Amino acid sequence: EVQLVESGGGLVQPGGSLRLSCAVSGLSFSNFWMTWVRQAPGKGLEWVANIRQDGGEKHYVDSVKGRFTISRDNAKNSLELQMDSLTDDDTAVYYCTRDLLGMDIWGQGTTVTVSS
Amino acid sequence: EIVMTQSPATLSVSPGERVTLSCRASQSVSSNLAWYQQKPGQAPRVLIYGASTRATGVPARFSGSGSGTEFTLTISSLQSEDFAVYYCQHYNNWPAYTFGQGTKLDIK
Repeated sequence: EVQLVESGGGLVQPGGSLRLSCAVSGLSFSNFWMTWVRQAPGKGLEWVANIRQDGGEKHYVDSVKGRFTISRDNAKNSLELQMDSLTDDDTAVYYCTRDLLGMDIWGQGTTVTVSS
Repeated sequence: EIVMTQSPATLSVSPGERVTLSCRASQSVSSNLAWYQQKPGQAPRVLIYGASTRATGVPARFSGSGSGTEFTLTISSLQSEDFAVYYCQHYNNWPAYTFGQGTKLDIK
C-alpha cells in the first residue's frame, strides 16, 4: 500500500521556524519528483515547492522563495520542508504529494498555525 | 503566470442530475490539466489528468474534456458521495503549478 505520512506541523510564532517531514512507503520514492501543496483555512490549494528525483533541481512559489527549503533523503524515503521566517499567511494544512501528471498521490496533511 | 478561473463558485444540484463544471486558463495549457475532488477534512484526490484521462479507480460517470484554454468536468449522474469541492490545475509550465479557486457542489 502506498502511503505518504506528513509530520512536524504545529503552532509557531511569527518569525519562527518549522520543519515538516513526509515519510513515503509503497513506491519507488527515488524515481519521482515530489511536491508540497498547502491549503489555508477555508481557502483553495496552492503549490508550494517541488524537487527532482536526485534533489538537484528545486522550484518554489514566489511567496516562499528565500524562506522555505525543500529537500529529500532517498535513502530514508523522506521528503522535508524547512520553513523559516514564518508569517500569518503561512498558516495552512501542508500536503506532501507525488508529482506525476499533476499530483496523483497525497498524504493526509499536517497543520501549521502561525500565531502569537 | 497562468491564471485558472473556475465557474461557478458554487453549484446547487440534486442527486441524479448531470453537472458540468468549467475551468478557463488565461493562456493555452494544451491538455496539461488535471481535476481534483476534495471532501471536507480530506486530502484532494485526482480524478482526471491530461484533460480527459480518468485516474485509476475513478468512476466512469466522471469525464473531462477540452484543450487550450477551455476545459470542463462532467458528472453524468450525481451521486451523494460526489458533493465536494472540485479544483482544476494546470501543469503546462511544469514544474510550477497553478490551481483554480474551486467549485463547490452543494445538495439542492
